Amino acid sequence: AQSVTQLGSHVSVSEGALVLLRCNYSSSVPPYLFWYVQYPNQGLQLLLKYTSAATLVKGINGFEAEFKKSETSFHLTKPSAHMSDAAEYFCAVTTRGGTGGFKTIFGAGTRLFVKA
Amino acid sequence: DAMVIQNPRYQVTQFGKPVTLSCSQTLNHNVMYWYQQKSSQAPKLLFHYYDKDFNNEADTPDNFQSRRPNTSFCFLDIRSPGLGDAAMYLCATSRDWNSQETQYFGPGTRLLVL
Repeated sequence: AQSVTQLGSHVSVSEGALVLLRCNYSSSVPPYLFWYVQYPNQGLQLLLKYTSAATLVKGINGFEAEFKKSETSFHLTKPSAHMSDAAEYFCAVTTRGGTGGFKTIFGAGTRLFVKA
Repeated sequence: DAMVIQNPRYQVTQFGKPVTLSCSQTLNHNVMYWYQQKSSQAPKLLFHYYDKDFNNEADTPDNFQSRRPNTSFCFLDIRSPGLGDAAMYLCATSRDWNSQETQYFGPGTRLLVL
């Protein structure tokens, strides 16, 4: 079975500092990996996804993530944090469901705090 | 410009009183999903529709039902809400049913059970 583990339920950075949110996956087959962001009282929005093309994936709002098979990781980074980045971030992997289709397995989430 | 719309944004119901949450989409996507998200937890898939085909997750309680009368609309019915059903309910869509598809989420309906 596929799964994702997000290291750190809370991460706090200063405005302008590097953002690093960690995600490790477990999969017996090549995975498809996603990062979603959720602002307070809103739904999830896709930041970026890895679908086996380039290992360095660029997303919206200056975020990027690198797929590292040797480390089974898909960490999310942003060079300089903005106050508006404060949100919950979910790493996700798609897995084959019981009906033969696919479903998305979300990590537990990491809440990012940005200090002025 | 809204793509996935959920109404209402906040719903208060009484213990045991049936409640229906609604979702509509302007994306003409084939797949619609319902997730339950409790505080500080990951979204948990309840079920999804591929077109008219309904797919229930094995651990979704019987108390939860869904209807999709047409491509645009999907409803979540909770027949007898318990206190443990208080959560954010997220509707999502995707163009197709495969592992690479992006899901587009609505803003959610927060359900409070008194």
